[in-house]
Amino acid sequence: KAGVTQTPRYLIKTRGQQVTLSCSPISGHRSVSWYQQTPGQGLQFLFEYFSETQRNKGNFPGRFSGRQFSNSRSEMNVSTLELGDSALYLCASSPGGGSSLISGANVLTFGAGSRLTVL
Amino acid sequence: AQSVSQHNHHVILSEAASLELGCNYSYGGTVNLFWYVQYPGQHLQLLLKYFSGDPLVKGIKGFEAEFIKSKFSFNLRKPSVQWSDTAEYFCAVKYMEYGNKLVFGAGTILRVKS
Repeated sequence: KAGVTQTPRYLIKTRGQQVTLSCSPISGHRSVSWYQQTPGQGLQFLFEYFSETQRNKGNFPGRFSGRQFSNSRSEMNVSTLELGDSALYLCASSPGGGSSLISGANVLTFGAGSRLTVL
Repeated sequence: AQSVSQHNHHVILSEAASLELGCNYSYGGTVNLFWYVQYPGQHLQLLLKYFSGDPLVKGIKGFEAEFIKSKFSFNLRKPSVQWSDTAEYFCAVKYMEYGNKLVFGAGTILRVKS
């Protein structure tokens, strides 16, 4: 089956602009998580959505937001971009349901990422 | 605080050498443990995982890892590396009481010389 699809793959923005990134999860997966990957900070958790609700949130400022649609597709938005927001943004999907959380079967599958450059 | 430490940032080995990458995590509660690999130009892929049971888990491409609860460790091993194992390796921990999020180590870049 198709993997996690992220669009766009590459984009360049300038400081102060905003950006929206999109993620289509694996069919049947209801949980979508977002991570930021930078050389300095590594991989950091942004947030997780499940059934259109934010279920978990990392330590990022309010400029970073997201949402999930009824078909489980997710978007994340970064407003008022700063140079430090330049990063690879990774989306991951997982089954996400209660039983899978308990059983440990809730393995994250990652997409290829969206590489954002802020000038 | 939840944290994951990977002992080496860069490792260089010759083909056929044995590999062991260290990973330690904070906190003594219930955890799920993972190793992910990122080959050059490719996305993060799951190498292996531990949820419960036998602490020695086997993954793809001949990799294995051992969970030692008393040491909060989950070290990755491979008896004989190949040039194609050149990649960045990430240890990740899911702390069950904090929900469905992974805490990643800083990563170890492995270069295998042919």
